[in-house]
Amino acid sequence: ELKVEQNPLFLSMQEGKNYTIYCNYSTTSDRLYWYRQDPGKSLESLFVLLSNGAVKQEGRLMASLDTKARLSTLHITAAVHDLSATYFCAARYNQFYFGTGTSLTVIP
Amino acid sequence: DVKVTQSSRYLVKRTGEKVFLECVQDMDHENMFWYRQDPGLGLRLIYFSYDVKMKEKGDIPEGYSVSREKKERFSLILESASTNQTSMYLCASSSPNEQFFGPGTRLTVL
Repeated sequence: ELKVEQNPLFLSMQEGKNYTIYCNYSTTSDRLYWYRQDPGKSLESLFVLLSNGAVKQEGRLMASLDTKARLSTLHITAAVHDLSATYFCAARYNQFYFGTGTSLTVIP
Repeated sequence: DVKVTQSSRYLVKRTGEKVFLECVQDMDHENMFWYRQDPGLGLRLIYFSYDVKMKEKGDIPEGYSVSREKKERFSLILESASTNQTSMYLCASSSPNEQFFGPGTRLTVL
């Protein structure tokens, strides 16, 4: 079974600051996914990373994948309040294995 | 625009009732999934299906069954609902490279 560990679980950051969420997984997987979930809502796909060294950016969010280290990161640049949400990573090995999520709160 | 739809956003049922949760996707995906999400426990896989009439147990299949008679539809069945099945249920379908979620059904069992 593939284990996915995400940290931190909770993150409170000031507007304008940078931070990184980390996602480690236990078994070889070449597909890593990031999702966003707003309170009471479903999961929205943010990034799909399909190969070692993949980097994707959308607005203030940038995701990267290092398959050798079994590590993906989600970097937040100059945070704004609208980024407040829970972020999940998931690795795929037949089925999808999810991390426990990082609850991000951006404060003024 | 890709779409995964679920039959109900909110559902209230009584203990012992048989409950059907329906999920439909319009992307011609072979793989479909049912998860439940509970505070502090993250997403847990109940069942998944990789083809019509095929199903595989996930991490927590007890108390649930599924049906996949057509490619676009994947149903989750609670044979006899219990209060510990109160949860948010999320359906998803996937291509080889991406997974899309439905809006979720918040089920309350009284």
